[in-house]
Amino acid sequence: NAGVTQTPKFRVLKTGQSMTLLCAQDMNHEYMYWYRQDPGMGLRLIHYSVGEGTTAKGEVPDGYNVSRLKKQNFLLGLESAAPSQTSVYFCASRHRDRSFRDTEAFFGQGTRLTVV
Amino acid sequence: AQSVSQHNHHVILSEAASLELGCNYSYGGTVNLFWYVQYPGQHLQLLLKYFSGDPLVKGIKGFEAEFIKSKFSFNLRKPSVQWSDTAEYFCAALSRAGGFKTIFGAGTRLFVKA
Repeated sequence: NAGVTQTPKFRVLKTGQSMTLLCAQDMNHEYMYWYRQDPGMGLRLIHYSVGEGTTAKGEVPDGYNVSRLKKQNFLLGLESAAPSQTSVYFCASRHRDRSFRDTEAFFGQGTRLTVV
Repeated sequence: AQSVSQHNHHVILSEAASLELGCNYSYGGTVNLFWYVQYPGQHLQLLLKYFSGDPLVKGIKGFEAEFIKSKFSFNLRKPSVQWSDTAEYFCAALSRAGGFKTIFGAGTRLFVKA
């Protein structure tokens, strides 16, 4: 079972460069999320999507854009990378469960991004 | 704003010691609560979850957590830790009122001395 797959796993960017992180899930989940993880700050939500073609801002959306053209994919873009965006990025997905029971998130392996 | 607070950022224990990690949330109404674990260099994995019913929830690897609604708390416990429990632990919450977003605490780094 692949679950949630993130590519790439590591990347080094120069300030001002752009890149796209890809998240793919094979569990037919409706909801997908992008988080960044920084020491002492836990996981902070960047953007999320509740279905194909929809996106919404999370806690720290500035400097990032997202797209969800297909249900299984959720892309995170950095148009002009800054050193403050050095972080570990995690994608997650979960079911839209009407009974509010099976709502745990499944995470990818993470992308370690360094902006120099 | 909805938030999740974890009381301890770093905890150091010897093997066989008992563990309790504190977690408080600020949501009102119906809430789902989770504890995730992140082993060094790995992604987050679910330890246990609460959505309704018995407030004492048992998870994998001998962990358990107790939901105390009156205190808005969901503390994680383990009677006897092992060296392999060295990891970072995250409390998280999801509520109907909060929409579709799972909010995480800042995490607690646990180091277990062999």
